[in-house]
Amino acid sequence: EADIYQTPRYLVIGTGKKITLECSQTMGHDKMYWYQQDPGMELHLIHYSYGVNSTEKGDLSSESTVSRIRTEHFPLTLESARPSHTSQYLCASSDFYLQPQETQYFGPGTRLLVL
Amino acid sequence: RKEVEQDPGPFNVPEGATVAFNCTYSNSASQSFFWYRQDCRKEPKLLMSVYSSGNEDGRFTAQLNRASQYISLLIRDSKLSDSATYLCVVVEAGGYNKLIFGAGTRLAVHP
Repeated sequence: EADIYQTPRYLVIGTGKKITLECSQTMGHDKMYWYQQDPGMELHLIHYSYGVNSTEKGDLSSESTVSRIRTEHFPLTLESARPSHTSQYLCASSDFYLQPQETQYFGPGTRLLVL
Repeated sequence: RKEVEQDPGPFNVPEGATVAFNCTYSNSASQSFFWYRQDCRKEPKLLMSVYSSGNEDGRFTAQLNRASQYISLLIRDSKLSDSATYLCVVVEAGGYNKLIFGAGTRLAVHP
């Protein structure tokens, strides 16, 4: 089982609030990812990181930001939540030494509802 | 056109049936492919890699057809516990380990 954690698991919040979704992994993986998934739809990569102080935007435009100050921690922040941000957010990690190399382990996800 | 396309299903099959899913991808330069499984309201988990020569893991067989740019997953002797959404995943060409997910094929196995 993968040791990757996300908090909160569920969040209901009002429009305009600032929120931070937490993601931590204890496997020492260098690569971490954030995906957004709407019900019945595919996962879309919104942010990724190849190591400490490395962050890149993914394929889906997102108003969120991320930081990677420590290897194990990759939080995602929304400065001002809107109803359009309602979705499931999944964090994942991978490592060069995994086989197959591209394997990604996912956290349990955060379901966000913005009212 | 989506980069990875799957029939959304659902595939409703009885226990013991054999079922097959296909997936097509658009980038001919893609080199690595996977099947992930996602249970309802859960995170995706790696089911198996797809190798050029095809590979088998118990009741599951994955195959790749590069010429036609599709991959397949065959499940034999379906179990109730196989009910889930199966995600076709293609590693983006370019070497940055970015995964491109299909929307998934839903399988429902009934008694």
